[in-house]
Amino acid sequence: SQQGEEDPQALSIQEGENATMNCSYKTSINNLQWYRQNSGRGLVHLILIRSNEREKHSGRLRVTLDTSKKSSSLLITASRAADTASYFCATDAGGNNRLAFGKGNQVVVIP
Amino acid sequence: NAGVMQNPRHLVRRRGQEARLRCSPMKGHSHVYWYRQLPEEGLKFMVYLQKENIIDESGMPKERFSAEFPKEGPSILRIQQVVRGDSAAYFCASSPPTRTDTQYFGPGTRLTVL
Repeated sequence: SQQGEEDPQALSIQEGENATMNCSYKTSINNLQWYRQNSGRGLVHLILIRSNEREKHSGRLRVTLDTSKKSSSLLITASRAADTASYFCATDAGGNNRLAFGKGNQVVVIP
Repeated sequence: NAGVMQNPRHLVRRRGQEARLRCSPMKGHSHVYWYRQLPEEGLKFMVYLQKENIIDESGMPKERFSAEFPKEGPSILRIQQVVRGDSAAYFCASSPPTRTDTQYFGPGTRLTVL
């Protein structure tokens, strides 16, 4: 079954606002990662959070992980036009270093 | 340190032709992964290779698809007798042997089958 399902699918916000997106998964994981993909480009690794961590920060990014609910959230604070992209969560639930991706959240930041 | 490199970036093939996609991992990375992304979808795992070994090919279609990572040279994803449904973006990722929990992705090859 598909691991990693983001919600909502599309988000449009004004520059300076915060953007929050969620991801849920179905089985036990060792870690969960968030990636960004600009249109027509490859994936850029944003942040990794391990199963024994609850929250992690990196610059304007804040990731939370709730293993009891099997969910994670990505918060982008003070968004910028350059944050316009698709954001994917991925888990290692597939085993053997396989990453299982969700369908992604498309975020549009309006200048 | 150059990132993961993939070529070609765009590939157009007619039905029935062969497609060869190349991936050069980051320097020092001995683990390579291939993923496929259909339009408006997330990435789907295809295969995981180490030098000269296929570790996990559970995501590879049973026919027409093959992958290798030779001792020298790039990893190759080969699709024989392509069909329109093979049109997708194919991404390669690599990781170092000591840190396999983070994968670094290349820019992808966009395959279009006419």
